[in-house]
Amino acid sequence: DQQVKQNSPSLSVQEGRISILNCDYTNSMFDYFLWYKKYPAEGPTFLISISSIKDKNEDGRFTVFLNKSAKHLSLHIVPSQPGDSAVYFCAAIRDDKIIFGKGTRLHILP
Amino acid sequence: ETGVTQTPRHLVMGMTNKKSLKCEQHLGHNAMYWYKQSAKKPLELMFVYNFKEQTENNSVPSRFSPECPNSSHLFLHLHTLQPEDSALYLCASSQGTTRVVVYNEQFFGPGTRLTVL
Repeated sequence: DQQVKQNSPSLSVQEGRISILNCDYTNSMFDYFLWYKKYPAEGPTFLISISSIKDKNEDGRFTVFLNKSAKHLSLHIVPSQPGDSAVYFCAAIRDDKIIFGKGTRLHILP
Repeated sequence: ETGVTQTPRHLVMGMTNKKSLKCEQHLGHNAMYWYKQSAKKPLELMFVYNFKEQTENNSVPSRFSPECPNSSHLFLHLHTLQPEDSALYLCASSQGTTRVVVYNEQFFGPGTRLTVL
């Protein structure tokens, strides 16, 4: 059973608008969450993270929100740019183990 | 070469073959990792090496045998694989020993696309 779920396999967003990528988790023992970005033929690259003691972390155009009661994580990208087109993975850490979601493919439309 | 490199980038092998995947990091990191990404499945951590010592093995079948001769090189030896082992195998490296630092600063290679016939 998946502990980290990204229920949208793909998402299309107009350039300049906000992209919102969602992630749900089942285990309340996760204490750290991360987002990675992956271009084709490249390995994932770390994007942004958040500790479970926080509910928001911001880094430039990227903001991650954590709703612990709903066991929900989201990544906001604003404004969206063509270079943001990629696959985004969320991941959670528990007991020194990292567990990934399946990823969401983001398409930024011109 | 910079960053994390993996060879070969693509590999096709039969179930009776023995092959090895190679990973090299040029970042001076002390920890290296093997991940597996199967089609339509999440990325899965397989092995972790810290200062050449294996610190984690996530219940990986013995037909996958890792080797870390030094902090810059990591191998994954493959033998008698099954078709369901076909996947993208990613190597990563990081510096630091605390868990959070490790995952925040993990650098991935481009992966080896493995097909088992």
